[in-house]
Amino acid sequence: DTEVTQTPKHLVMGMTNKKSLKCEQHMGHRAMYWYKQKAKKPPELMFVYSYEKLSINESVPSRFSPECPNSSLLNLHLHALQPEDSALYLCASSQESWGEQFFGPGTRLTVL
Amino acid sequence: SQQGEEDPQALSIQEGENATMNCSYKTSINNLQWYRQNSGRGLVHLILIRSNEREKHSGRLRVTLDTSKKSSSLLITASRAADTASYFCATDADNAGNMLTFGGGTRLMVKP
Repeated sequence: DTEVTQTPKHLVMGMTNKKSLKCEQHMGHRAMYWYKQKAKKPPELMFVYSYEKLSINESVPSRFSPECPNSSLLNLHLHALQPEDSALYLCASSQESWGEQFFGPGTRLTVL
Repeated sequence: SQQGEEDPQALSIQEGENATMNCSYKTSINNLQWYRQNSGRGLVHLILIRSNEREKHSGRLRVTLDTSKKSSSLLITASRAADTASYFCATDADNAGNMLTFGGGTRLMVKP
């Protein structure tokens, strides 16, 4: 299995909702990443997990809360989001803490 | 933050022509990668070039790296309509762990 899967594909939520994005890979990769991408812009790194430990947090607001339950799974918990948080959220993984990253198809999030 | 700039921002060519995209970056790097993204989808890794390499080929792709000028170029030869996508360079700065910082991207359209 050489792919990264993300669920859901689309998510619409209100500003008071709590929701979670899920990412899964079965390639034995030890680093996993969350990116945020606005329309016609490049992806921006949010979080990096290396060996299931959070290694990088790019000053992301606390309304985004990452979790890495095991080496194959990465979650992003969302709470009290703002409309400007609407974006494509991409998950990626890499074998080690450098090199080629494998991206999932993304979750298109709309905050009303 | 955005490490690199890409040039041009948009490129439209006829099928069969070559497409050249340029990327400039600001800091010392371990490696530079090129990714492709079809509209609203995840990114696909194309090629990685290390800081001590000057040129690399993969199929119809040719990447060059000039660390003295902090720049890279991606050449797609004999383009096809299926090459229509956005292309991003991404750098892995040598003092930034496993953070990938993406350039602004080039939107390539190949007309049949």
